[in-house]
Amino acid sequence: GAGVSQSPSNKVTEKGKDVELRCDPISGHTALYWYRQSLGQGLEFLIYFQGNSAPDKSGLPSDRFSAERTGGSVSTLTIQRTQQEDSAVYLCASSFGTFTEQYFGPGTRLTVT
Amino acid sequence: QKEVEQNSGPLSVPEGAIASLNCTYSDRGSQSFFWYRQYSGKSPELIMFIYSNGDKEDGRFTAQLNKASQYVSLLIRDSQPSDSATYLCAASGLYTGGFKTIFGAGTRLFVKA
Repeated sequence: GAGVSQSPSNKVTEKGKDVELRCDPISGHTALYWYRQSLGQGLEFLIYFQGNSAPDKSGLPSDRFSAERTGGSVSTLTIQRTQQEDSAVYLCASSFGTFTEQYFGPGTRLTVT
Repeated sequence: QKEVEQNSGPLSVPEGAIASLNCTYSDRGSQSFFWYRQYSGKSPELIMFIYSNGDKEDGRFTAQLNKASQYVSLLIRDSQPSDSATYLCAASGLYTGGFKTIFGAGTRLFVKA
């Protein structure tokens, strides 16, 4: 079956612009996760959605970051007024349940110039 | 204090040997544990998922969980050059602030032909 998909695969943007990153989870997976991986660094947990429940936003790095999930499926991570330190690979994962195996998408490489 | 700790390596083993990767976690609220393999420039690939004390085997891979010692390990038997990658340990649980998955910084493994 189809895995987690993310778009775009690469995004170059100018400092101060807004960007939207999209994640399409595996069909039937109710949980969806966003992570950030800076160059040479580990994965930083950003936010988690379970079904249609409101997410815990405390992991988002700043109020410039927001995320939503429509219809319990596709999710969008939005970064407003991008800064150079936002440059990273943004990874999305999905799982069947909250504490079960998480499968990652290919990621979106964001470069802020 | 890091919540999931791994030896950064690099760990170098000859082809055909057993590679042993270790991980400790600090929060007893951790409920499920993962090992991922990540090749340079790629997204993490799930290798093993474990949530009960003891061993779990899948092909050449064995994960071991000891909740009393807060320790998770991964054994790779008959190591192959294609196993050369960074191995990420992760723990999921209900922590202060809510659900989170915490990743270690990863252990780099080199398998010499």
